Amino acid sequence: QQQVKQSPQSLIVQKGGIPIINCAYENTAFDYFPWYQQFPGKGPALLIAIRPDVSEKKEGRFTISFNKSAKQFSLHIMDSQPGDSATYFCAAAPGNTPLVFGKGTRLSVIA
Amino acid sequence: DGGITQSPKYLFRKEGQNVTLSCEQNLNHDAMYWYRQDPGQGLRLIYYSQIVNDFQKGDIAEGYSVSREKKESFPLTVTSAQKNPTAFYLCASSILWTNTGELFFGEGSRLTVL
Repeated sequence: QQQVKQSPQSLIVQKGGIPIINCAYENTAFDYFPWYQQFPGKGPALLIAIRPDVSEKKEGRFTISFNKSAKQFSLHIMDSQPGDSATYFCAAAPGNTPLVFGKGTRLSVIA
Repeated sequence: DGGITQSPKYLFRKEGQNVTLSCEQNLNHDAMYWYRQDPGQGLRLIYYSQIVNDFQKGDIAEGYSVSREKKESFPLTVTSAQKNPTAFYLCASSILWTNTGELFFGEGSRLTVL
């Protein structure tokens, strides 16, 4: 119940495309859903986060869609650029305990 | 600048040796964490600490030990009991619990066992 399942494991898109990364969870106690971005050799950094009282949140080219009934959330990257090539992790926090991370998606945006 | 400093960046160890990874933060954060990253495995929690002189085991604590003698510091020791220690280790901190705010990561330490 503590798992967050992330897919796909890797993704290749053309520049300008809209990559979509999906995550699913089982634990209904999860109440915070962030996405982290990691470049090679670096630590992850917070990209965008959502709470279950909203169905969508947009920050620049990045959008989180949240479906509470399906227990799924996804990251969309509009007008993707080669600089977006990185590994993306979804995560969830079940109340007052540490974040649980998905296994990551390696995104490559090719020009 | 405020942030998290991990050292060393690269470390090589012979089998049977203990090694300590350093993590220092100047963000005045209460909570600190150690994660292990392996290809295709995501980030797995080793230990975390909410307050000085207190820490809790995460999902994969076996073969590791930590201490929290100062708010700023949370070193991780990889002991010889850890069967497969070669990995990328990430230290992180947050103001309190991560569902109240952002988790800040260091740049990681890559440990290789020869």
